[in-house]
Amino acid sequence: DQQVKQNSPSLSVQEGRISILNCDYTNSMFDYFLWYKKYPAEGPTFLISISSIKDKNEDGRFTVFLNKSAKHLSLHIVPSQPGDSAVYFCAASAGYSGNTPLVFGKGTRLSVIA
Amino acid sequence: DAGITQSPRHKVTETGTPVTLRCHQTENHRYMYWYRQDPGHGLRLIHYSYGVKDTDKGEVSDGYSVSRSKTEDFLLTLESATSSQTSVYFCAISEFGQGDGYEQYFGPGTRLTVT
Repeated sequence: DQQVKQNSPSLSVQEGRISILNCDYTNSMFDYFLWYKKYPAEGPTFLISISSIKDKNEDGRFTVFLNKSAKHLSLHIVPSQPGDSAVYFCAASAGYSGNTPLVFGKGTRLSVIA
Repeated sequence: DAGITQSPRHKVTETGTPVTLRCHQTENHRYMYWYRQDPGHGLRLIHYSYGVKDTDKGEVSDGYSVSRSKTEDFLLTLESATSSQTSVYFCAISEFGQGDGYEQYFGPGTRLTVT
């Protein structure tokens, strides 16, 4: 049973436009959420996180929104750039400590077209 | 860069042979993790460690064992490799980030093929 779902396997966006990547979760114990970006043949790289006490967190072009009642989060990238083309993973954990395992979604492949 | 290296980066082995993958970190992180990534499955946790000689199982631990005798090294062993263990293996560490909790940082990965 998938606890973290990324229902869109792929997404294409034109350069300069907004990219919106979505993630849903089923476990109501999850209270910390992270987004990772992965290029081919490299390890995932941390992008941005959000805890359940917030509904929005921004870092430059990246903003994560959390809707706890809907168990839904989204990553907005504005403006999208060709270098943003990668696979994006949503992850969640129940707790904030270092030994709390992360549960990952299956990823969404973003293609930014010039 | 979280100072994580993995070795080997690529390995081809035969079914039934033992295989050990090594993860090495240079920054004295307490928490270390092993994941596998497969098409259609995302990243799945195999085992993790919260200190020297302290380890626990993850979601897909069957067929794998781990050891951590030094802070800097976390070893993943496939006692008898099977074709279903063909995958890309990632090691990760976690550290408290600028946000509200721990963030995990990943190594470059090991591509393992079991023939």
